Amino acid sequence: EDKVVQSPLSLVVHEGDTVTLNCSYEVTNFRSLLWYKQEKKAPTFLFMLTSSGIEKKSGRLSSILDKKELFSILNITATQTGDSAIYLCAVDMTGNTPLVFGKGTRLSVIA
Amino acid sequence: SAVISQKPSRDICQRGTSLTIQCQVDSQVTMMFWYRQQPGQSLTLIATANQGSEATYESGFVIDKFPISRPNLTFSTLTVSNMSPEDSSIYLCSVGGTPSYEQYFGPGTRLTVT
Repeated sequence: EDKVVQSPLSLVVHEGDTVTLNCSYEVTNFRSLLWYKQEKKAPTFLFMLTSSGIEKKSGRLSSILDKKELFSILNITATQTGDSAIYLCAVDMTGNTPLVFGKGTRLSVIA
Repeated sequence: SAVISQKPSRDICQRGTSLTIQCQVDSQVTMMFWYRQQPGQSLTLIATANQGSEATYESGFVIDKFPISRPNLTFSTLTVSNMSPEDSSIYLCSVGGTPSYEQYFGPGTRLTVT
């Protein structure tokens, strides 16, 4: 069975902290791994990773993929209260099929 | 990136009634997906909406309860039929098969059934 496992499921940090969110996967086929941020209703796209060892970066967020060990991490540095959200990891197996989602990590950043 | 709109944004409905959610994309896309997210849960795929053919439903979801239409490559509807309070969720449409292969989500419909 295809599955994506995220850890931790929830996390509370103080503003300014650095956090690392984990995502491991076991799937029958792999095309890409995607990270989303969900604040209210709709997940918003953060990163798509297809190759191992190449860091994707956007401001204080960065992510990297390890296709040998089948995991990815999402780093957030100097966290702000606006980073509070659910972070979803998903695997795209073919590009034309539904994503396989993890359960998400609920991040709470307190002032 | 694809721009997706959903209507309605939110609704409060009485049990036993039905609600149709519309999803419109600004470009032609191969695949459209419908997800449900119940309170405190992750996303659950309801079905894949195929243009010109029947939707493909995931285990636990049936066409009588969640009929789907996909009349063309830019539009789809999901109907939640004979609603009960357990259907209270966020419903999301998503598109795949875009040139960049990133899957994008519509803004979602928050449904409350009383």
